[in-house]
Amino acid sequence: QKEVEQDPGPLSVPEGAIVSLNCTYSNSAFQYFMWYRQYSRKGPELLMYTYSSGNKEDGRFTAQVDKSSKYISLFIRDSQPSDSATYLCAMTRNAGNMLTFGGGTRLMVKP
Amino acid sequence: ETGVTQSPTHLIKTRGQQVTLRCSSQSGHNTVSWYQQALGQGPQFIFQYYREEENGRGNFPPRFSGLQFPNYSSELNVNALELDDSALYLCASSLVGTVNQETQYFGPGTRLLVL
Repeated sequence: QKEVEQDPGPLSVPEGAIVSLNCTYSNSAFQYFMWYRQYSRKGPELLMYTYSSGNKEDGRFTAQVDKSSKYISLFIRDSQPSDSATYLCAMTRNAGNMLTFGGGTRLMVKP
Repeated sequence: ETGVTQSPTHLIKTRGQQVTLRCSSQSGHNTVSWYQQALGQGPQFIFQYYREEENGRGNFPPRFSGLQFPNYSSELNVNALELDDSALYLCASSLVGTVNQETQYFGPGTRLLVL
């Protein structure tokens, strides 16, 4: 069993929909949680990071962490075709150390 | 753009050969991490360099080795290439020892194909 599990998708939604992306993890030592967006044949781009449990909002993106359930989420409001990409969750125990990634969820937003 | 650059962008090698991949970190960053991303999977941590010393290693064999230079640029060397080494190799830089040290910025990657 992988330390971080993520539904690979693909997830197909119409433009303007609210998208929910999720990851579960098994290592309770993880404290820092990130979401990266990766376009085809590009490197991952950091979208959000959160320390410990709680919510964080940035524009159309909201990240939620529930450490008690070992569950993290990324919500995208008013989704756009340009949001079509693979979304990777990542987490680490100590700031600056190795990131453990999920396998990524492929999102397609149709016009 | 993150300011992290990698070279070359693509590379084709044959099994048993050796390869060197290069990374220039974002200006001012002192830490470089390398990841391997197989097709359709998430990146896997190879190792990290902080101030020219290895500062953590993932579950990769010794034929994966690295260097970090005084200007914080880095190299990843892979000896005795195997077919399974075909992947996107990502470099990420960060500034450890500051408020935002958990933030790692990735380069565009080097796509390696081993035949």
